[in-house]
Amino acid sequence: GAVVSQHPSRVICKSGTSVKIECRSLDFQATTMFWYRQFPKKSLMLMATSNEGSKATYEQGVEKDKFLINHASLTLSTLTVTSAHPEDSSFYICSAGAGGNSYNSPLHFGNGTRLTVT
Amino acid sequence: QKEVEQNSGPLSVPEGAIASLNCTYSDRGSQSFFWYRQYSGKSPELIMSIYSNGDKEDGRFTAQLNKASQYVSLLIRDSQPSDSATYLCAVNRPGGYQKVTFGTGTKLQVIP
Repeated sequence: GAVVSQHPSRVICKSGTSVKIECRSLDFQATTMFWYRQFPKKSLMLMATSNEGSKATYEQGVEKDKFLINHASLTLSTLTVTSAHPEDSSFYICSAGAGGNSYNSPLHFGNGTRLTVT
Repeated sequence: QKEVEQNSGPLSVPEGAIASLNCTYSDRGSQSFFWYRQYSGKSPELIMSIYSNGDKEDGRFTAQLNKASQYVSLLIRDSQPSDSATYLCAVNRPGGYQKVTFGTGTKLQVIP
């Protein structure tokens, strides 16, 4: 089945530093990837849509200057949390669909990154 | 009204019983419906997808879709303790291709 790899799985950083999270589609090409965040006992909230070769599309309320997304190839998207603060601590999960951009192509998720900002 | 609604639970069922998980959605233009299972601290794992009205069976899992009622459900037969997890209903956003909206999830507890 489709595999999405996310790295790192866990990161602890100090307030004010930046953290980069990588998301790779291992056995398929993904022109579009999605970044979600999840707070404890809450559902996944879509942050942004990462588009290969173009700018990411951010959901309302998500600061594009704080959450930088780069999708430089068909298999790699990165999310950089800039100047992280404790309120950015969360579970970040990337996803991609293996069936192109079809609406009936289910998403496959990376294993997630647990970010803790101290 | 939330876009995708689920009962948060927990839903407790004895081992071997049928677990029934329900989800309603608000946008009639939605075309794709997914059920994901999420263990604590892990990312979601796709269980079932369904696109047309009726039932779709895969092993112990059956997804049911009723677009007229804007309702989708997941039945788990012969529930096992390993099925204990949070089940997320996801519905695609019309025009948004793979963009989906997730419900808040239903926590299922299968009691041995």
